[in-house]
Amino acid sequence: DTGVSQNPRHKITKRGQNVTFRCDPISEHNRLYWYRQTLGQGPEFLTYFQNEAQLEKSRLLSDRFSAERPKGSFSTLEIQRTEQGDSAMYLCASSRNRGYRDTQYFGPGTRLTVL
Amino acid sequence: AQSVTQPDIHITVSEGASLELRCNYSYGATPYLFWYVQSPGQGLQLLLKYFSGDTLVQGIKGFEAEFKRSQSSFNLRKPSVHWSDAAEYFCAVGVRTGNQFYFGTGTSLTVIP
Repeated sequence: DTGVSQNPRHKITKRGQNVTFRCDPISEHNRLYWYRQTLGQGPEFLTYFQNEAQLEKSRLLSDRFSAERPKGSFSTLEIQRTEQGDSAMYLCASSRNRGYRDTQYFGPGTRLTVL
Repeated sequence: AQSVTQPDIHITVSEGASLELRCNYSYGATPYLFWYVQSPGQGLQLLLKYFSGDTLVQGIKGFEAEFKRSQSSFNLRKPSVHWSDAAEYFCAVGVRTGNQFYFGTGTSLTVIP
């Protein structure tokens, strides 16, 4: 069990640029989640996949955000035309499909800074 | 709507002293409750969880938490704090409908020698 991994760990970009983050979940986990965490706050849910299907999206996920999980394994989160307000830590988590008793295991996060 | 409140933004304790971090939740049904710890540069690590049964749950690193339905609380405790426990602690609630966790704003723990 190698845990959830995320790349890159840090990303600095200029406003208006596009960025893409990758998450590799724990291998036998079929659920994958994205959260955003800003300074002084707890993580906020963005979106969730079960296998390759994106089943839930938060209102926080504007049209500039898109997430994919093409083969039900790794996932990517893309932010287009970044804004300074997008600066945050982006966390990925994965879990087995145990319904509402799921336990989510988190990766180290990708810290995005938009200049 | 479901929510989680961690009333203490920051707590300072001496090494060896006992610790209690407060967590209150708002949810209409039986919640599923979690405590996570986040160290600088690290991801969230699960300390313990409550789904049902015994209301006192044991976790890793000597932590325990007690679910009190009457108080809508799930406070985290440790009898003797170590310097390595300095970190940010998050309480979270999982709900029966939907698949997301709701997190509190966290409590930052400082341990002084």
